[in-house]
Amino acid sequence: SQQGEEDPQALSIQEGENATMNCSYKTSINNLQWYRQNSGRGLVHLILIRSNEREKHSGRLRVTLDTSKKSSSLLITASRAADTASYFCATDAQSGNTPLVFGKGTRLSVIA
Amino acid sequence: DAGVIQSPRHEVTEMGQEVTLRCKPISGHNSLFWYRQTMMRGLELLIYFNNNVPIDDSGMPEDRFSAKMPNASFSTLKIQPSEPRDSAVYFCASSDADRAWGYTFGSGTRLTVV
Repeated sequence: SQQGEEDPQALSIQEGENATMNCSYKTSINNLQWYRQNSGRGLVHLILIRSNEREKHSGRLRVTLDTSKKSSSLLITASRAADTASYFCATDAQSGNTPLVFGKGTRLSVIA
Repeated sequence: DAGVIQSPRHEVTEMGQEVTLRCKPISGHNSLFWYRQTMMRGLELLIYFNNNVPIDDSGMPEDRFSAKMPNASFSTLKIQPSEPRDSAVYFCASSDADRAWGYTFGSGTRLTVV
């Protein structure tokens, strides 16, 4: 399976600190995506990084991708209480038009 | 666009009853996905459609589950008969052919089978 696996499962930090979440996967990908899920809501797409990219930024988000290690990281800088949510990575397979496969997520708590 | 719309938001039903979940994808999106989320198993893909045609239903847990997409703007997921282990949050998501912006998820249907 190419399911992404996030690490850690849960993370608790103080407001203003940076939060780093990691994702590992197993097979070749076209791209890797990160999503956020607030409690009781659907997943929201945050950022997509293609297999030929190494780093991407969007506001306070920074994503890196290392295809040799089959891993990605999501960094949220200067975290806010509103960033409290679960974060999922999802991989888009290189072979064929297959659906995204999601990991089980990292539960982030930002304490004010 | 109002996004992906799912109904109902919550459903409580008795074991053995038929349950129908509904989804309206984003206009212009040609792929639709049904996922189920539980604490134990995370987010599981049940079935997906491209251009209203079911492509892969290998994630459907049993014959009790069925899904249809009669047109580009509507899909249903039916469970008949329902069982307590079907209790979960069911999400519908849609995407365009390029998938450059990822999937757009609905708010989900929280199903409780008692």
